Amino acid sequence: SQKIEQNSEALNIQEGKTATLTCNYTNYSPAYLQWYRQDPGRGPVFLLLIRENEKEKRKERLKVTFDTTLKQSLFHITASQPADSATYLCALDGGAGNQFYFGTGTSLTVIP
Amino acid sequence: NAGVTQTPKFQVLKTGQSMTLQCAQDMNHEYMSWYRQDPGMGLRLIHYSVGAGITDQGEVPNGYNVSRSTTEDFPLRLLSAAPSQTSVYFCASSYRTSGRNEQFFGPGTRLTVL
Repeated sequence: SQKIEQNSEALNIQEGKTATLTCNYTNYSPAYLQWYRQDPGRGPVFLLLIRENEKEKRKERLKVTFDTTLKQSLFHITASQPADSATYLCALDGGAGNQFYFGTGTSLTVIP
Repeated sequence: NAGVTQTPKFQVLKTGQSMTLQCAQDMNHEYMSWYRQDPGMGLRLIHYSVGAGITDQGEVPNGYNVSRSTTEDFPLRLLSAAPSQTSVYFCASSYRTSGRNEQFFGPGTRLTVL
């Protein structure tokens, strides 16, 4: 199986700053790594996917990096807004592609 | 499209009772799965299905049964509820069984076992 660690502490940042969230994994390197957003009382919503042969992926104010040497992915939100406040989860495929492993998530609060 | 729907939203059971959590999707997705989410534990895979008639165990399958008779529906059965099964349950689906496909999640069922 796979062990996944995300920022254990909640992250508070000022509006307009860049938020950086960390996802570290052990064991094998996944072929794909996904990031999700989860609001209180709701199911996770897919944000971005990055492949093992991609170093970086961008979507609007979001940027994801994937370093298979460090076994780490970083998730950046630039020009953060209070509406970005949520819990962010990283997810890795289980090698065979049939199982996904999720991190515990990082709670982000953007302060106006 | 309604996406992934789950019923009920909330449920309280007594220890030893059985019940079925319903999940349906209208996107013609092959892959469906059930997760439970507990504080500090993240989402953990219970069971999954790669198509009608095919199911398999995930990380934490004990105490749960599933079946997949149609592409659309993937119910989760609790055989004899235990307090340890108090959790929030999410159903998810994706186009194919691959990490390159995003998963679509339902709104969740909050289950309390007394």
